[in-house]
Amino acid sequence: DQQVKQNSPSLSVQEGRISILNCDYTNSMFDYFLWYKKYPAEGPTFLISISSIKDKNEDGRFTVFLNKSAKHLSLHIVPSQPGDSAVYFCAAMGDYKLSFGAGTTVTVRA
Amino acid sequence: NAGVTQTPKFQVLKTGQSMTLQCAQDMNHEYMSWYRQDPGMGLRLIHYSVGAGITDQGEVPNGYNVSRSTTEDFPLRLLSAAPSQTSVYFCASSTSGNSYEQYFGPGTRLTVT
Repeated sequence: DQQVKQNSPSLSVQEGRISILNCDYTNSMFDYFLWYKKYPAEGPTFLISISSIKDKNEDGRFTVFLNKSAKHLSLHIVPSQPGDSAVYFCAAMGDYKLSFGAGTTVTVRA
Repeated sequence: NAGVTQTPKFQVLKTGQSMTLQCAQDMNHEYMSWYRQDPGMGLRLIHYSVGAGITDQGEVPNGYNVSRSTTEDFPLRLLSAAPSQTSVYFCASSTSGNSYEQYFGPGTRLTVT
């Protein structure tokens, strides 16, 4: 059973608007959460992370929010750019192992 | 600095054949891992290693073998390929098991017929 879930397989957003990607997890022992970005025919690349002791982390256009009581995190991309079109994976770390969600494909329209 | 390299990029096997997927990193990372990516499933951990000589199982280890004789290399062996092992395989490394930023290789696309 997947411990990290991304329930939206795809998201389409207009250039310049906000992209919001959501992720839910079930294991309360996870202590670190990450977002990875993946282009076709390439490996995933690290985007942003957040520790379980924080509720927000910001890096340029990317902000990750963590709601521990709801076991939910989200990634905000503002403003969205064409180069942001990719698959985004949510991941959670616990006991030396990363657990990934199924991914959300983001398409940024001009 | 090449980062994480994987060979081959593509491979077609017949059921029952064996092969080794190669992974190497030149960043002196202690932690290395193998994942498989299947549609709708995300990436699932197969095996990982926290240092030379130490390996452990991940979420989906059956049918795969690993060893870690050097810090740089972490090969993944398929003992007797099955169609269910058709997937894209990614190797990753990081400075330690508690380092959350893992660096991924470009992947190997494997088809088992």
